[in-house]
Amino acid sequence: QKEVEQDPGPLSVPEGAIVSLNCTYSNSAFQYFMWYRQYSRKGPELLMYTYSSGNKEDGRFTAQVDKSSKYISLFIRDSQPSDSATYLCAMKGSSNTGKLIFGQGTTLQVKP
Amino acid sequence: NAGVTQTPKFQVLKTGQSMTLQCAQDMNHNSMYWYRQDPGMGLRLIYYSASEGTTDKGEVPNGYNVSRLNKREFSLRLESAAPSQTSVYFCASAWNDYEQYFGPGTRLTVT
Repeated sequence: QKEVEQDPGPLSVPEGAIVSLNCTYSNSAFQYFMWYRQYSRKGPELLMYTYSSGNKEDGRFTAQVDKSSKYISLFIRDSQPSDSATYLCAMKGSSNTGKLIFGQGTTLQVKP
Repeated sequence: NAGVTQTPKFQVLKTGQSMTLQCAQDMNHNSMYWYRQDPGMGLRLIYYSASEGTTDKGEVPNGYNVSRLNKREFSLRLESAAPSQTSVYFCASAWNDYEQYFGPGTRLTVT
């Protein structure tokens, strides 16, 4: 079993829809939870990160962490065609090692 | 401010050939990383460097070596390329491990 599980999709939604992207994990030591966005044939870019549990909002994006369920989510409101990309979750424990564990990514297509 | 740059963008090697992938960052970050990305596998850490002069193995280090040349540059070397090393390679840098900035990637094919 992988440490981080993410449904690869693809997920196709109409423009304006609310999108929910999710990851589950098995390692209770994870403390930092990140969402990266990757456009086709580009490098990933950090969207937002959350430390421990709770919610974090940035514009149309909201990240949620439920450590009791080992489940994280990224919500995109009023989705736009420019949001079409692969979304990768990533996680890290509190130690000083450099290791991020990535999900395999969910491909999202927002249709005009 | 170029961020993280990688060279080359594309490369085709024959089995057994060697090559070095170059990475440089201009954000004065202490930490640098090398990942490979394969379909269905996500990003996997090959090596990382927490500071100039230090390197540590990641999840998939076999077949690779790295050099942290100075604070800006972190190179990845394949001594004897194998078809299993066909992948997209990303370099990243960061102040802290969770806010990593990625380069554009190198697409490597080993035949």
